[in-house]
Amino acid sequence: RKEVEQDPGPFNVPEGATVAFNCTYSNSASQSFFWYRQDCRKEPKLLMSVYSSGNEDGRFTAQLNRASQYISLLIRDSKLSDSATYLCVVEGGSYIPTFGRGTSLIVHP
Amino acid sequence: ETGVTQSPTHLIKTRGQQVTLRCSSQSGHNTVSWYQQALGQGPQFIFQYYREEENGRGNFPPRFSGLQFPNYSSELNVNALELDDSALYLCASSLFGSEMNTEAFFGQGTRLTVV
Repeated sequence: RKEVEQDPGPFNVPEGATVAFNCTYSNSASQSFFWYRQDCRKEPKLLMSVYSSGNEDGRFTAQLNRASQYISLLIRDSKLSDSATYLCVVEGGSYIPTFGRGTSLIVHP
Repeated sequence: ETGVTQSPTHLIKTRGQQVTLRCSSQSGHNTVSWYQQALGQGPQFIFQYYREEENGRGNFPPRFSGLQFPNYSSELNVNALELDDSALYLCASSLFGSEMNTEAFFGQGTRLTVV
């Protein structure tokens, strides 16, 4: 089993749709969790950290479920500019991050 | 702009050759991590340098080596290049403290092609 697993997609949704991605992790001792966004042929950029209580940033909501060892990202009212690959990142106690392979999102008109 | 710069941006090498990639970290950061990203995959952690010492290593062979300099810039060296080494190589800088690690900022990467 991979340390961090994501459905590669692509998720193909119309503008205005709500879309959710999940990411599962295998190390129960993992301590920090993040979502990064990566545009085609560009570097990854931090989208948001994921806190135990869940957190929201505008149209984006991230949640952590430690019991089931997964994190989720919900995007509401999708925009064309949301089209990108979303990378799930999990850090253990040594602060070494492990990336998932990413989930591709395509938002169409 | 993140302030993390990598050079060169693109590189073509022949199998068996050696390559050195460079990364200048963001001002105020003391930690540099290197990643290999193959097409269609997420970044794979190679190693991390903190205060000029290797601070963790992923599942990469010894022909992948690195350095961090007193100004916290870093190099990634790969010897005996193989075709499968073709990938985007990313470096990320962050500030590591006693109890926390700040957000990592990535450079734009070096795209290495081995022929």
